[in-house]
Amino acid sequence: GENVEQHPSTLSVQEGDSAVIKCTYSDSASNYFPWYKQELGKRPQLIIDIRSNVGEKKDQRIAVTLNKTAKHFSLHITETQPEDSAVYFCAAAERPYKLSFGAGTTVTVRA
Amino acid sequence: DSGVTQTPKHLITATGQRVTLRCSPRSGDLSVYWYQQSLDQGLQFLIQYYNGEERAKGNILERFSAQQFPDLHSELNLSSLELGDSALYFCASSVGVGGPEETQYFGPGTRLLVL
Repeated sequence: GENVEQHPSTLSVQEGDSAVIKCTYSDSASNYFPWYKQELGKRPQLIIDIRSNVGEKKDQRIAVTLNKTAKHFSLHITETQPEDSAVYFCAAAERPYKLSFGAGTTVTVRA
Repeated sequence: DSGVTQTPKHLITATGQRVTLRCSPRSGDLSVYWYQQSLDQGLQFLIQYYNGEERAKGNILERFSAQQFPDLHSELNLSSLELGDSALYFCASSVGVGGPEETQYFGPGTRLLVL
């Protein structure tokens, strides 16, 4: 099955700086890569996703890049704000069901 | 609010017991997915139902079972509970069978504590 590794496990950034989280996956058949944000005690919320027919996708301060050859994808958050503090999960799947999640990155934005 | 509802919010029970968690998908969604989130195992896919039929299976224990009813709500049954079953259980829903253009929306979760 799919195995997703996520780094770093914790990330502390100064407000206004950028944050980058990287994930690698093992199954070359995977073609759907969502990112979820989870605040303490709350549900995971989809923030952005990318499919294998594109290399990059942006949504305001968030961007995701995908390198299918190297089997890795990354989340970039620019101009970080305190409300960006949360746990971020990457995931990979051949289809949107049966998602395999990374272990999560705890992002802390320092004011 | 994603539109996915789960009950109960919290559940405290003893080892060896059986519990049922309930999920109602977003209006119009036909698929329901169950996930377990624990500190040591992270977020793990358990099972998916589509329009009443089991569609995909993940790391679901034999002590656990699920079903989806004609009104599309789903129940996850956990039996012979062990301390290690303590976790957050999320359900999610999507509009179809899980095609490439679909997105899963998560419910608020049920926190299960087994004592």
